[in-house]
Amino acid sequence: GIQVEQSPPDLILQEGANSTLRCNFSDSVNNLQWFHQNPWGQLINLFYIPSGTKQNGRLSATTVATERYSLLYISSSQTTDSGVYFCAVDSGYSTLTFGKGTMLLVSP
Amino acid sequence: SQTIHQWPATLVQPVGSPLSLECTVEGTSNPNLYWYRQAAGRGLQLLFYSVGIGQISSEVPQNLSASRPQDRQFILSSKKLLLSDSGFYLCAWSVSGGYTFGSGTRLTVV
Repeated sequence: GIQVEQSPPDLILQEGANSTLRCNFSDSVNNLQWFHQNPWGQLINLFYIPSGTKQNGRLSATTVATERYSLLYISSSQTTDSGVYFCAVDSGYSTLTFGKGTMLLVSP
Repeated sequence: SQTIHQWPATLVQPVGSPLSLECTVEGTSNPNLYWYRQAAGRGLQLLFYSVGIGQISSEVPQNLSASRPQDRQFILSSKKLLLSDSGFYLCAWSVSGGYTFGSGTRLTVV
């Protein structure tokens, strides 16, 4: 099956710093989503982005499907950005395969 | 608007007891429905998915089962729980590509 690798596995930032999270995948995909898992476990959908670039406030994402990677940018990070960020892909079988996530801690 | 309901939020069950977790969606028809499990250590594992009433696909052999008795209802069950069934169970739905997850059930088997 398709492999999804996320980096870095852990990230510690000072409030106000910028960061880039990366997701590599091993095959072509129909769907790629970025999620934020909050401290209560809820998976919040950040972006549905099988290709191209999208922005939502301080967050933006870019997927280069031909090179099989996606990037999530967080600018001016806040403590509420802390949590685990997951990349997940659907390679055409109507199911999502998740990476292992990046655990982000933003300190005040 | 589309919403997904999952209950209970937390559950503590003894080994060998049965399990029934329910998930319902509103505001959409004929969604694909999914059960995922997240064990300690972050990774999410697909357990079951369904593309229609009565159609269940299992990804991982185990003592869990799933059923879809109605278009917008998805149930995860077990006849006898094992300690290894502990984890965070998430229901999700998708229509036309995007996935939305429920709030999850944290199951502890003791």
